[in-house]
Formats: sequence, C-alpha cells, structure tokens
Amino acid sequence: DIVMTQTPLSSPVTLGQPASISCRSSQSLVHSDGNTYLSWLQQRPGQPPRLLIYKISNRFSGVPDRFSGSGAGTDFTLKISRVEAEDVGVYYCMQATQFPRPLTFGGGTKVEIK
Amino acid sequence: QVQLVQSGAEVKKPGSSVKVSCKASGGTFSSYAISWVRQAPGQGLEWMGRIIPILGIANYAQKFQGRVTITADKSTSTAYMELSSLRSEDTAVYYCAREGEGCDYWGQGTLVTVSS
Repeated sequence: DIVMTQTPLSSPVTLGQPASISCRSSQSLVHSDGNTYLSWLQQRPGQPPRLLIYKISNRFSGVPDRFSGSGAGTDFTLKISRVEAEDVGVYYCMQATQFPRPLTFGGGTKVEIK
Repeated sequence: QVQLVQSGAEVKKPGSSVKVSCKASGGTFSSYAISWVRQAPGQGLEWMGRIIPILGIANYAQKFQGRVTITADKSTSTAYMELSSLRSEDTAVYYCAREGEGCDYWGQGTLVTVSS
C-alpha cells in the first residue's frame, strides 16, 4: 500500500499568518488516466473529516479560497493563506490513486493558534 | 445536498459483533463507492474497506480481512459495516464516506466502545 507521510506534526500559527503542510507519498500518485487522486481533509475538534481539496488543487464546494493545494508526483502541499480561528484542527492528506486498492491517509497535522 | 446519516453509538462486549449503518440521501447512492474509515481515540484515520453498491462488490483492508463485512441495500440507499470478534482495540469512531471527488461526503460518525 502507498504510505503517506505528512510534516510537520504540529503547526502553531498566528492568526492572519500563512500555514503550510507537506505530504509525501511512497510512490507516484499519477493514475493511468492522467489524474492524481490526492485530497486534503480538515477535521475540526469533535467533527467528522471534511473534504477541502481534491485532485491536488481543486477546492471542494464551499471551501474558502484561502485554502490552496499544489504539487505533483509524490510531493504535495496544502497552504492556508491567512489562518482564521475556525481553521484550528487536524489536516490529513489522502490518496485514492490505487482504486480499488486501499485508500491511505497521512498521519495528520495539527494546526493550532499561537 | 448529499447526506450520510449513521446509526447511533454502541457498547459491545469483547468477542461480540457490531453492525453500523449509513443511510444516504440527496444523491445517486449506487453510483459511488462507500468507504468505511475508523478513528481510534486521539489517533488518525484508518481505512477499513469499501463497497460499490451498483456492483455489490466489496474490498477490505488486509488488516480487517475475515473480520469485517461491508454490504449495501440499494432499495434503501443504506450501507452497512459489520465487525466481528471485537476487542478493546476496536474502540473507535467509525465513519462512512462517499468516494466521489475524493471522500467528498462523510457520515457523522458512530462511536463503538468495546468493554467488558
């Protein structure tokens, strides 16, 4: 199975400042159809995960434009341009490129306010 | 708007089984895979398996092979996850998620507590 590795584990950020999370996969996530099925999820305390970004850089419905995704192959980044209080939570990268093989998740990055 | 509504919290004895349901509304149930993901207290997300309702085919994470069964009832747009031979380490919140664009819709989660 593809292993997803996130850094950092924790990211204390000042309100209004940017935050960046990295995710690396153990093998390329480029599918034979040309797409890269790398997503980012946000999990606020006590809530289920919520999809933010799919296929590297596409914002899901209702996601603020301060969230952006980038990357290719095995290296990906989630950026929050200006962190707001509601952004506190744990962020996960997830790959679905090997469908129908297992989905795999990164270990999570906790974003908290300094 | 797609919604996934899961069944309520369960408390189970070690060695028993639990069956969690996930009822979909607002979308085309059969066309998308439904995955089950669990989260132990304070831990990350762990994929358990999925079903593709239109095909009736399920596949499972190797870790849970032989212990988990995922089914779907197209007539009620409901997916089910049954986990057997429960042990304390299975105490977790269990989520269903639709595999549309990524896992685009999630259930609210079902807490399963395994305790003697």
